[in-house]
Amino acid sequence: GDSVTQMEGPVTLSEEAFLTINCTYTATGYPSLFWYVQYPGEGLQLLLKATKADDKGSNKGFEATYRKETTSFHLEKGSVQVSDSAVYFCALSVGTGNQFYFGTGTSLTVIP
Amino acid sequence: DAGVTQSPTHLIKTRGQQVTLRCSPKSGHDTVSWYQQALGQGPQFIFQYYEEEERQRGNFPDRFSGHQFPNYSSELNVNALLLGDSALYLCASSLDHRSNEQFFGPGTRLTVL
Repeated sequence: GDSVTQMEGPVTLSEEAFLTINCTYTATGYPSLFWYVQYPGEGLQLLLKATKADDKGSNKGFEATYRKETTSFHLEKGSVQVSDSAVYFCALSVGTGNQFYFGTGTSLTVIP
Repeated sequence: DAGVTQSPTHLIKTRGQQVTLRCSPKSGHDTVSWYQQALGQGPQFIFQYYEEEERQRGNFPDRFSGHQFPNYSSELNVNALLLGDSALYLCASSLDHRSNEQFFGPGTRLTVL
């Protein structure tokens, strides 16, 4: 079935460090891929998305490239800030109804 | 634009009780999906409504039911509550059922004692 596997956390980084959060997927069709971010006590916010192979999604310095050959959608940021501390979820949607499947989330803490 | 709103924010119930959660979609959106997010986990799809009917359903028992009203708002009902139903319940809306972009509300935190 359709599923997402993402790197387990928690992840702790110093400010200005490089961030990578790994995400791989399994899908029966041609999924769209997403990264969502959840700040404490809040709902999910869309961070970026990619709808077809080789697309790169980007937002707020975060990037992820849809790699069909490796079924991956890794999240990267060149220089993290304290304000990036949150839980990050990789997700896919597939099918006519666009049902979403989420990974288990990766908690990121950035320390000054 | 108020975005997706949910009520109540928090709720405490006891086992066996019934609960109703409410969601108003983002302005202009006609499709509403509900998710259950257990502590430390990713959201799990419960079901999706558009045109006032349940269109898709995840792997949840019949104790979970819903409704969508003509103004596109939606309710999630859970009967015979179990301790394991304690979770954050998220509502997400999308422009229509073909759209692959969902906007999430802040959620309702349900605690079952």
